[in-house]
Amino acid sequence: GDSVTQMEGPVTLSEEAFLTINCTYTATGYPSLFWYVQYPGEGLQLLLKATKADDKGSNKGFEATYRKETTSFHLEKGSVQVSDSAVYFCASIRKDTGRRALTFGSGTRLQVQP
Amino acid sequence: DAGITQSPRHKVTETGTPVTLRCHQTENHRYMYWYRQDPGHGLRLIHYSYGVKDTDKGEVSDGYSVSRSKTEDFLLTLESATSSQTSVYFCAISDGDSSNQPQHFGDGTRLSIL
Repeated sequence: GDSVTQMEGPVTLSEEAFLTINCTYTATGYPSLFWYVQYPGEGLQLLLKATKADDKGSNKGFEATYRKETTSFHLEKGSVQVSDSAVYFCASIRKDTGRRALTFGSGTRLQVQP
Repeated sequence: DAGITQSPRHKVTETGTPVTLRCHQTENHRYMYWYRQDPGHGLRLIHYSYGVKDTDKGEVSDGYSVSRSKTEDFLLTLESATSSQTSVYFCAISDGDSSNQPQHFGDGTRLSIL
């Protein structure tokens, strides 16, 4: 079945450091891919998305590129801030079956220290 | 923020009791979802609805039932709660094909079964 694998956390960085959170997926066909962010005590918020190969999603300084060859969708940010501390979820959804549910990775907690 | 209200936000109850969680939306979106969030698992789909009185099972539906008698309300019921159902429950909504239309999440209900 479909699955999404994320790197284990927590990831601890100093402010202004470069961030990469790895995400790989397995799915039949070419799913749409998403990054969601969850701040403490809140629900998930969509951070960015990509719907086809080579698409780059971007938002709030975060970027991720849909890599079909490596089945990856790694999240990057050039300079993190303390306010970026949160849990980040990679997710996929297939386009071919009409299945409506997202498949989530297990989440990666990011801690940014001042 | 998408108009999604989950109630209650927190609940503690005993094994064997019935529990109903409510998700209310003001967006008139067609699709509604219930997920549960557990450490190491990300979010997993319990049930979803694609219209009034139209529902279907997700990957972890055992022990749960749902009802949708109005567009704006989606209820999740645990007929006889068990300790394994202790979790954080999230409702989500979307307006169309989730491969293009992102799902928007409520703030969650933290449920503890003692």
